[in-house]
Amino acid sequence: ETGVTQSPTHLIKTRGQQVTLRCSSQSGHNTVSWYQQALGQGPQFIFQYYREEENGRGNFPPRFSGLQFPNYSSELNVNALELDDSALYLCASSLDGRSYNEQFFGPGTRLTVL
Amino acid sequence: GENVEQHPSTLSVQEGDSAVIKCTYSDSASNYFPWYKQELGKGPQLIIDIRSNVGEKKDQRIAVTLNKTAKHFSLHITETQPEDSAVYFCAASRGSSNTGKLIFGQGTTLQVKP
Repeated sequence: ETGVTQSPTHLIKTRGQQVTLRCSSQSGHNTVSWYQQALGQGPQFIFQYYREEENGRGNFPPRFSGLQFPNYSSELNVNALELDDSALYLCASSLDGRSYNEQFFGPGTRLTVL
Repeated sequence: GENVEQHPSTLSVQEGDSAVIKCTYSDSASNYFPWYKQELGKGPQLIIDIRSNVGEKKDQRIAVTLNKTAKHFSLHITETQPEDSAVYFCAASRGSSNTGKLIFGQGTTLQVKP
C-alpha cells in the first residue's frame, strides 16, 4: 500500500508568481484535504476534494484553488503569491469525505516566497 | 468561530515520567477529536482519536480523555521514551458534517530527556 506522496519537497518563488503543488492520495482513498502550516503553528484547513468536487473550504482567498483528478490525485494552485504564503503545505487523504475517517498526511511541500 | 486552544506550548519531562497535553474547543457540534504526532520534516501522524460517545480511550502508553460538558480533551503519555519527543497536535471536527475539516490546536513540543 502506497502512502500519501507530495511533490515537490521544497519550492522557492517570488512575490506575484504562481505555484502548483501536487498530491497523490493513498490507494483506495477518494478524498484529499489540503492544509497550510505556518512555522510553529498548527495546520489550517484550505479545502477538501471528494470525488473531483470541492467539498468544503476554509478561510482562504480565491487565489487558492484546487483540482482533483479521476485517479483522486490532487493539485493546489496559488496565484499572486504573497510573502505570508510561505509555509508547509500538507495534503491528507481519507477513505471518503466524512470527518470520522482518519486523514493520512503526506510529508508536505515547503514553499518559500521571497 | 471554531477554535482549539492547546496547552502547554512546550513540555519537558524526564524519561519514564508522564506527559499530559490539554485542549479546549469552542464548537459544541464537534464530536471527533484526533491527536497527531509530527516529527521534524514529516507530516502529522495520527496516534489516537476519540469520538464524543466515549469518555476515555487507551492504546498502550497513550490515552485520551474527553469532557464534552467542559469542552476539554487531553492526551496522556505514560512511561515516556526519548522517541516520544516530537510536536503533538490536537484537533476537533464536526462528525455530523460531510467534510473532514479538522481544526488544529497550536501544538505542543514535547522533549523527553534520557
